[in-house]
Amino acid sequence: ETGVTQSPTHLIKTRGQQVTLRCSSQSGHNTVSWYQQALGQGPQFIFQYYREEENGRGNFPPRFSGLQFPNYSSELNVNALELDDSALYLCASRLDRGTDTQYFGPGTRLTVL
Amino acid sequence: KNEVEQSPQNLTAQEGEFITINCSYSVGISALHWLQQHPGGGIVSLFMLSSGKKKHGRLIATINIQEKHSSLHITASHPRDSAVYICAVSNTDKLIFGTGTRLQVFP
Repeated sequence: ETGVTQSPTHLIKTRGQQVTLRCSSQSGHNTVSWYQQALGQGPQFIFQYYREEENGRGNFPPRFSGLQFPNYSSELNVNALELDDSALYLCASRLDRGTDTQYFGPGTRLTVL
Repeated sequence: KNEVEQSPQNLTAQEGEFITINCSYSVGISALHWLQQHPGGGIVSLFMLSSGKKKHGRLIATINIQEKHSSLHITASHPRDSAVYICAVSNTDKLIFGTGTRLQVFP
């Protein structure tokens, strides 16, 4: 148990729809990162939030956006879903930006039809 | 070329065998992580290291900073070790992942 939870566990959407995925970090962890893992691939960095502000972004278009809340929860929003967005979405929290130990959630598997 | 490369991609072993998974990277890092991912997706952190060697039970991880190379060893492998093992490096506040090594250990 890492103390990081994600919801929902599975989700099916159709192309063009919007989706919100949720992550609840360990209490006190002010940094959360989101990753996309396509089937058979390693996770790819989407973005990181630190103290409720975006603090780094990978090579993902603006239709991927996020929010982080004071209660250590966060959201990943994806607009205008495309078939290639089908993947496992992982969040990982850590105590602070300067620490390396990350705690992963179980992931949300998104299928876009 | 990926910034983090792992080998082999797939590995099968008989129970009891000694297993080695390799990772090489081409970027500056503050730490290297070995992670385990079971079917269903959950990722568990096995090791985080920035120098030398760490041991936890039957698992040993080593890193050579000069050669930008790390290895994960599993001694006396067991079917419950079957999983995907992922190497990741901490680089400018984010993790860069390898594509993983799928390990199957048969009784």
